[in-house]
Amino acid sequence: EDQVTQSPEALRLQEGESSSLNCSYTVSGLRGLFWYRQDPGKGPEFLFTLYSAGEEKEKERLKATLTKKESFLHITAPKPEDSATYLCAVLGFGDSWGKLQFGAGTQVVVTP
Amino acid sequence: EAGVTQFPSHSVIEKGQTVTLRCDPISGHDNLYWYRRVMGKEIKFLLHFVKESKQDESGMPNNRFLAERTGGTYSTLKVQPAELEDSGVYFCASSRNTMGGYTFGSGTRLTVV
Repeated sequence: EDQVTQSPEALRLQEGESSSLNCSYTVSGLRGLFWYRQDPGKGPEFLFTLYSAGEEKEKERLKATLTKKESFLHITAPKPEDSATYLCAVLGFGDSWGKLQFGAGTQVVVTP
Repeated sequence: EAGVTQFPSHSVIEKGQTVTLRCDPISGHDNLYWYRRVMGKEIKFLLHFVKESKQDESGMPNNRFLAERTGGTYSTLKVQPAELEDSGVYFCASSRNTMGGYTFGSGTRLTVV
């Protein structure tokens, strides 16, 4: 069965203090790895899809990278509005389309 | 475009009662998914519709759960009879294609007491 492990569980940053979140995965052939952001009381909000090792995607202060075993979400010069839980999910070739396997998430708090 | 709408946003029911959750996907999205997060656990897949057909219902925990999507538009998820372990947040999502850029609703928080 696919496994997704995210670390750290929680991260507290000062505004402007860059950091990285980790998503390690085990899957029988990767169709795609997905990053979502979730705010309290809301559903996950799609950020990126990565398909193959070496791929990178960027959006504002966020940059996602992918290797054969893990993905990183880099937050550059974060602002308080970047505070959220960041979720990683994978879709393997052994899974049906639509059956994402989520990690537990990393809760990020950015203080002014 | 309007987002994915779920209601109710909260539901508190007694063990043994029936609850029906509803999801209205984004118009034109043939793919509709149900996921749930129980306390302290990851978000887990329940099932996937393509239009009105169940593509994969392997995540449905047992036969107390019944999902329907009549006419390929909105979907309902019925829990009958509800048990304490069914408490959690039920998310619905929809998409045009299946490569993960799903739009999630805000969820229904179900509490079974």
